[in-house]
Amino acid sequence: DARVTQTPRHKVTEMGQEVTMRCQPILGHNTVFWYRQTMMQGLELLAYFRNRAPLDDSGMPKDRFSAEMPDATLATLKIQPSEPRDSAVYFCASGLSDGYTFGSGTRLTVV
Amino acid sequence: QQQVKQSPQSLIVQKGGIPIINCAYENTAFDYFPWYQQFPGKGPALLIAIRPDVSEKKEGRFTISFNKSAKQFSLHIMDSQPGDSATYFCAASIGNFGNEKLTFGTGTRLTIIP
Repeated sequence: DARVTQTPRHKVTEMGQEVTMRCQPILGHNTVFWYRQTMMQGLELLAYFRNRAPLDDSGMPKDRFSAEMPDATLATLKIQPSEPRDSAVYFCASGLSDGYTFGSGTRLTVV
Repeated sequence: QQQVKQSPQSLIVQKGGIPIINCAYENTAFDYFPWYQQFPGKGPALLIAIRPDVSEKKEGRFTISFNKSAKQFSLHIMDSQPGDSATYFCAASIGNFGNEKLTFGTGTRLTIIP
């Protein structure tokens, strides 16, 4: 079964540190999404790419978050500096048509 | 902010019963409506999806009913099993190829008791 791979699965960091999350989308999928899940806000779109070009990053706090796709096999989400309110599960998903596949997420805790 | 409103927040059903989860939307431009199932520690997984040209879609024990005029859609799970216990999210997007950004409902935590 093809799957979206996210690393790391868990990350605990101190406030102010840089955090980088990585995602390997399913080969052949042309659209990659970053979502964040919290109890309070549910699932929120942060950014997404099609054919590696950013389409929408309006859900992302631009002063501290950045998302990139350096190549078709890698998407990254970076937070610098991290804050306790960034604690959440970050999901990457990829798709081509008829819905998309989520990874298992990176659980980020900022203390 | 485009919204999708989902209810109930939680649901407990006896095994074999038919849980029903409802969603309502405002934006008439939405034209793709998937349901996702999420188990603890996992990402959401696509369960079933419908486009507004049909009023019902069935896949196995899962059925989506869609009411375009009322801007509502619902998920029914037939012959529910304890293994169906999970959180269910409805969602909607504009662009019916199924690979556009989704607006998610707030989720329903479903528990099926033996």
